[in-house]
Amino acid sequence: DAKTTQPPSMDCAEGRAANLPCNHSTISGNEYVYWYRQIHSQGPQYIIHGLKNNETNEMASLIITEDRKSSTLILPHATLRDTAVYYCIVRVSLSTGTASKLTFGTGTRLQVTL
Amino acid sequence: SAVISQKPSRDICQRGTSLTIQCQVDSQVTMMFWYRQQPGQSLTLIATANQGSEATYESGFVIDKFPISRPNLTFSTLTVSNLSPEDSSIYLCSAGIRQDSYEQYFGPGTRLTVT
Repeated sequence: DAKTTQPPSMDCAEGRAANLPCNHSTISGNEYVYWYRQIHSQGPQYIIHGLKNNETNEMASLIITEDRKSSTLILPHATLRDTAVYYCIVRVSLSTGTASKLTFGTGTRLQVTL
Repeated sequence: SAVISQKPSRDICQRGTSLTIQCQVDSQVTMMFWYRQQPGQSLTLIATANQGSEATYESGFVIDKFPISRPNLTFSTLTVSNLSPEDSSIYLCSAGIRQDSYEQYFGPGTRLTVT
């Protein structure tokens, strides 16, 4: 699985968009990009994932560059409740019966401020 | 999605004893996992709990220290045996509802302190 690089910390003002980058320059064609977050004292929470097209759901948008070497998670209107550690994880696509193990790096600590 | 509960939420145990952590899922799931999160650190996968077969352990984790049971598709336990202060961590379970996805749902964790 490809290695990911994320900034250790970022700040964002409440109400503004939070753009969290992730570099995965060694990603291969069958590897997906997954994003999770962990709010303090809680278990991680799945946010979104994508292969090569941009994805959007009720929580966030995921923008993957055309060469797939990097991606950005966008929280369009950050709130104080979005303060968390955000993890970018790259994993190969699965075949049925393969364990879907996750490997967490150190992530980006996002602090949303008033 | 799936809702995961864990018991206990926290415990303080003496050195040399064991703690068993329970993980309950509100629906049947194929994949369940156990993670450890040491203070200030990221999550480390301990093992994959397979229903009807032995758990699959990651490098550095052994069955004698972390025995796991998975009696059915909604429940699993992790026991941390022969406790030492180095075992003080948060232990989390998760469930994957689809075998072709890395979308997992996590419990709130069990905070273990060993004295």
